[in-house]
Formats: sequence, structure tokens, C-alpha cells
Amino acid sequence: GAGVSQTPSNKVTEKGKYVELRCDPISGHTALYWYRQSLGQGPEFLIYFQGTGAADDSGLPNDRFFAVRPEGSVSTLKIQRTERGDSAVYLCASSFGANTEAFFGQGTRLTVV
Amino acid sequence: RKEVEQDPGPFNVPEGATVAFNCTYSNSASQSFFWYRQDCRKEPKLLMSVYSSGNEDGRFTAQLNRASQYISLLIRDSKLSDSATYLCVVNREGSTLGRLYFGRGTQLTVWP
Repeated sequence: GAGVSQTPSNKVTEKGKYVELRCDPISGHTALYWYRQSLGQGPEFLIYFQGTGAADDSGLPNDRFFAVRPEGSVSTLKIQRTERGDSAVYLCASSFGANTEAFFGQGTRLTVV
Repeated sequence: RKEVEQDPGPFNVPEGATVAFNCTYSNSASQSFFWYRQDCRKEPKLLMSVYSSGNEDGRFTAQLNRASQYISLLIRDSKLSDSATYLCVVNREGSTLGRLYFGRGTQLTVWP
């Protein structure tokens, strides 16, 4: 595709449920980032992949959050036992490498009720 | 202290006005600097990179002061279409290479 694709665009789930958010980066981009953004705030870093490996996962808030990128392309962010505080827009971005322009997907709006 | 601090605004200016946004960053190891623009309920998009010597792109001028750890964005001759949130972004070398730190954004509204 031409840009970063994220699915679903919206997700409503009940507290305690498990969710998976998918990111399909721009073809050829080796770097992939996950951020989350709450209303009125800037994007907050979660995790950064270089290829298949997580180069920096220090932004994941707790062990309920996990992300994978098994083949170095598509990535999935997984959230277990969702809480209402997890409600936010989850943004994925990709780039050719560090210090180059990061292109963002349109995000997945997660609402935990 | 937050990695990147921005005045959230809002800034409300008439068309044609000149407006300036400021941003400070806390880590002197920061290496790359950017301004992103984010429209309401949309994803952030790169507006411009910021270089040490300062750089200009049309009506937009970005400046960096490493000594003061300060970045600015100047918009001249504001247009209605400039209304958006402007995000200051920094990146640093080392173990967190690739991690982008975002400010909370400065909201701009240009009115006719």
C-alpha cells in the first residue's frame, strides 16, 4: 500500500478483554514504532522495532502490553485484560531507519467500556 | 521533567498574522529535531526537520539553539489551512536510537 495501514480503525471492547491491533508499514521500512495518544496530549512512545526485534520496549506501560513483528513487516500490538485507562488512539509509524522521517498510520481508536 | 515541553496554547490569530511556537527539550544528547503537524482526529505528519543552521520552507522557518536546548517554529502570513496542532519532536542517539519524543503539541487556530 501507499502508506501505513492500521486495523481496525475503531475498537470498542469490554474491560478485561484481550485485543490485538494491527499495523502494516510502508514496504521497505525497517523501523516500526507504536505510540499511543490521549486527548490533548502528544503521542507517547510504546515500542520501537528495527527489523524483527524490539530495539526499545521501554515505553510499554506494564506486562499487559506486548508487541510482535515476526517477519519484519506487519506488527501486532496485543493488550491483555484491558482497562478503561487503556482507552486512547494507538498510532503506528514506520521509517527507513532511525533519524529519518516517520510516517504515521491513521491510528486505532480503542475504547474500553 | 518531560523530555519535550511545549506551550499548549491555544493560539488564535487572524489570517496574515505571524505566529511563533517554542519548544524546549531536556536531554542534551538529542540529535534530530522535527516539527510535525496534526489535524483534528488525524495522524501526525512531518512538517519539517530542524537543522542546526536553521531552515526555511516557504512561510515556515525553524530554528534550533543547542546551547539553550530550544526549538522554534515561525509561521508567516498565516492561512486558514494552517489551523492544526503543531508537535515538537526530538530523537537521540544511543540505546534509545529511533525513539521519537513528542511534546504535547501547540494548538493554532487561524480565523478569517
